[in-house]
Amino acid sequence: DAMVIQNPRYQVTQFGKPVTLSCSQTLNHNVMYWYQQKSSQAPKLLFHYYDKDFNNEADTPDNFQSRRPNTSFCFLDIRSPGLGDAAMYLCATSRGSGGPPTDTQYFGPGTRLTVL
Amino acid sequence: AQSVTQLDSQVPVFEEAPVELRCNYSSSVSVYLFWYVQYPNQGLQLLLKYLSGSTLVKGINGFEAEFNKSQTSFHLRKPSVHISDTAEYFCAVSDHYVREKLTFGTGTRLTIIP
Repeated sequence: DAMVIQNPRYQVTQFGKPVTLSCSQTLNHNVMYWYQQKSSQAPKLLFHYYDKDFNNEADTPDNFQSRRPNTSFCFLDIRSPGLGDAAMYLCATSRGSGGPPTDTQYFGPGTRLTVL
Repeated sequence: AQSVTQLDSQVPVFEEAPVELRCNYSSSVSVYLFWYVQYPNQGLQLLLKYLSGSTLVKGINGFEAEFNKSQTSFHLRKPSVHISDTAEYFCAVSDHYVREKLTFGTGTRLTIIP
C-alpha cells in the first residue's frame, strides 16, 4: 500500500546526458513537490505543483524542469546533469486544502542520482 | 523569511537513555512546526507536527515535542531510546501564508550506543 512511489530508486547517468526521474502517488493529493537532498544536508525544495500550477523556487537552476501530466504523476527532468547534481531526489505530496492549517507532506523513498 | 536551526549535528546516546534534539526557528508570522525522521537510504517520515492548540505534541515511536513560542523552540524528546531510533532527524517550519513550503533544518544524526 505504497502511497508515494519513486522510480527508479537508483539512477546512474553520464555527465551531460538528460535524465528523468518519476514520482507517482495514490493519495489523490493536489500538491506534488520535488526536493534535492545532497549528502548530509537538508532537503531543498526545487519546485512544486498545486494542481496544474507550477511554482518554481527562485534559486532552482534552469537545468531542472518538471512535468505533471495528471494528478497521479510528476516527473523531474535534468537536461544536462553535472557532477554537482548528484544527490537524493525526494518527491512529496500534500492535500493542499488552502483553508485549514497546512497539511502533512508525505515523502517517497527517494531516487539516488549518480553522475559519472 | 523563515529559518530553522538545529544546533546539534550529531547526538550519541546510550540505549534506554533519554534524548532531546533541539530545534529553534525564526519567523515573523504564525508558524507550523514539524519533525521528520529519515532512516538510511529512505525518504522522510513524519514524526509529529504542531499546528495549533496544546503546546505538547505526541508523535509516533514514543517521541514528543513542545512548542515554546517565547523561546521560538520546538525540541524533540524521547524518554528512552532504542537502537531502532538511529536515524537523521529534521525539524521543519512552514507559515500561515505559504503553507505548501517547508523549510528544513540541517538535521541531527542520532546514534544509539548499545
